[in-house]
Amino acid sequence: EAQVTQNPRYLITVTGKKLTVTCSQNMNHEYMSWYRQDPGLGLRQIYYSMNVEVTDKGDVPEGYKVSRKEKRNFPLILESPSPNQTSLYFCASSSGLGNTEAFFGQGTRLTVV
Amino acid sequence: GENVEQHPSTLSVQEGDSAVIKCTYSDSASNYFPWYKQELGKRPQLIIDIRSNVGEKKDQRIAVTLNKTAKHFSLHITETQPEDSAVYFCAAQRSNDYKLSFGAGTTVTVRA
Repeated sequence: EAQVTQNPRYLITVTGKKLTVTCSQNMNHEYMSWYRQDPGLGLRQIYYSMNVEVTDKGDVPEGYKVSRKEKRNFPLILESPSPNQTSLYFCASSSGLGNTEAFFGQGTRLTVV
Repeated sequence: GENVEQHPSTLSVQEGDSAVIKCTYSDSASNYFPWYKQELGKRPQLIIDIRSNVGEKKDQRIAVTLNKTAKHFSLHITETQPEDSAVYFCAAQRSNDYKLSFGAGTTVTVRA
């Protein structure tokens, strides 16, 4: 089954404790991205990757890192989480430039206390 | 960069009535306009899309219209049902770009 898988689904952590949210897709998609969803703000892009070893900042990259060592995986790293990073996070992948459907993961609900 | 505005932010309709959500975009180079539906606790999923060479597209009870001159596009849901209750996001994309720019979302509630 074609899918994008994120883990964990839920995470509660403390300020400053490094964490990683994993994302994996089995559709051989080139493009992957991370979004955060906050009430009234929609889906805002954090980082994206156009292929292995090619990553770039989205609209709200501060406090986040990513890596793309393999085509299927695109982890999101929070080196020192802060309470303002409490949010719902989605990973998404798509197959090509423009006009292609984005497939989303199940989401990760992160709470930083 | 692209700026997509979406209205209204919330919409309550009686079951069987129609719902309309409107979006405007700023980048005249955008030519792909998808709509995503997010049910409570679930991931966003594509429900319909339209490309700039088409003015209207229908799929059963949902339709999307596009006015490139005015840079706005709309989602129309007819004969609404309880399962239409969800958050709907519009988005815009250029053909030479991967990036999707999303609107802020519309929470639709269908009253029985």
